[in-house]
Amino acid sequence: QKEVEQNSGPLSVPEGAIASLNCTYSDRVSQSFFWYRQYSGKSPELIMSIYSNGDKEDGRFTAQLNKASQYVSLLIRDSQPSDSATYLCAVHSGSARQLTFGSGTQLTVLP
Amino acid sequence: DAGVIQSPRHEVTEMGQEVTLRCKPISGHDYLFWYRQTMMRGLELLIYFNNNVPIDDSGMPEDRFSAKMPNASFSTLKIQPSEPRDSAVYFCASSSDGRGETQYFGPGTRLLVL
Repeated sequence: QKEVEQNSGPLSVPEGAIASLNCTYSDRVSQSFFWYRQYSGKSPELIMSIYSNGDKEDGRFTAQLNKASQYVSLLIRDSQPSDSATYLCAVHSGSARQLTFGSGTQLTVLP
Repeated sequence: DAGVIQSPRHEVTEMGQEVTLRCKPISGHDYLFWYRQTMMRGLELLIYFNNNVPIDDSGMPEDRFSAKMPNASFSTLKIQPSEPRDSAVYFCASSSDGRGETQYFGPGTRLLVL
């Protein structure tokens, strides 16, 4: 079983819609959770971090964390074609002191 | 402030040759990470350093790979001898948050071994 799992997609949404990206993780002691955006041919770029259960909003992005269900999600409101990218979920285990990345979900926002 | 700097950006070499990838972390960052990304395996951590000391190299695929960090502003990842299966994008990332969590990635080196 992979430690961090994401639906690979591709996920397509129309411009202006809400895109919902999901991630589950297996290590219950994980403490910190991150979402990275990676455009084709570019490096991963940190867009959100979340540490506590609940929602965290930053502009059009909302990260949601449920530690009991070992589930983290990213919502992108008012999706734009420029949001088209691969979104990587990353989980940090304090004991291992390293990030474990999911395989990423490819998002396409259709104009 | 400059981000993480990697060189070269692209490298094409022949099987058996030595390859050296270079990284300059963000100034003041005390964690440095080397990752490899492929379509098949995704983003994998190879090794990371804290205050120039290698902490975990369990992700290094085999003895052909080695990494050094002689000072706080420079690290190298060396592959000797290189093989076609080493073809990938190699990223360097750095962090300063005390736990190595919030990582900032360099532009990557795209390596092709023929």
